[in-house]
Amino acid sequence: SQTIHQWPATLVQPVGSPLSLECTVEGTSNPNLYWYRQAAGRGLQLLFYSVGIGQISSEVPQNLSASRPQDRQFILSSKKLLLSDSGFYLCAWSTPGQGYAEAFFGQGTRLTVV
Amino acid sequence: AQTVTQSQPEMSVQEAETVTLSCTYDTSESDYYLFWYKQPPSRQMILVIRQEAYKQQNATENRFSVNFQKAAKSFSLKISDSQLGDAAMYFCAYRSAGTDKLIFGTGTRLQVFP
Repeated sequence: SQTIHQWPATLVQPVGSPLSLECTVEGTSNPNLYWYRQAAGRGLQLLFYSVGIGQISSEVPQNLSASRPQDRQFILSSKKLLLSDSGFYLCAWSTPGQGYAEAFFGQGTRLTVV
Repeated sequence: AQTVTQSQPEMSVQEAETVTLSCTYDTSESDYYLFWYKQPPSRQMILVIRQEAYKQQNATENRFSVNFQKAAKSFSLKISDSQLGDAAMYFCAYRSAGTDKLIFGTGTRLQVFP
């Protein structure tokens, strides 16, 4: 069966420090991968999505970046965190080309920038 | 670009009653999929119901049903016989059939009163 792992669960980082959040999927190949941020009053905001290695679409201009070094690994990074980067970050995967298929989400990372 | 709008930040319903959550979307695509996800306090995302845009028949899943109006780009969720366990944040979502991009609305927080 397929599983998605996202870590860490909680992170407190000072302003200006770097960030690396990791997400891995097991039990499937070539998944679509997504990074979302959930902030109060803004719902689930799509940050990046990837339909394959080296193919990453950025949806929101900001100081975050994403990489997909392996087929089932998706990393969210920042060189210098801002206070506004605080929020709840969710990674998700879905089956490519099967739009009717459910998306599966990780447990999320609560990031607090201080 | 596609957008999803949920105009009701909060809704409340009495146990055993019926409630309808609204969702509208904007797209120039003709082939897409629509979803409702539930996020309880645990923050885990749970698929409630889904609809294929090319199907005119409204989807139903037990107590959950949708009113899909393609021309109006409207996709509302009806919850019948509401239960205390239905209390959660509900997100409307759109998935492009062409790009697999998956976007969400800002969510509606549903409270259920006994």
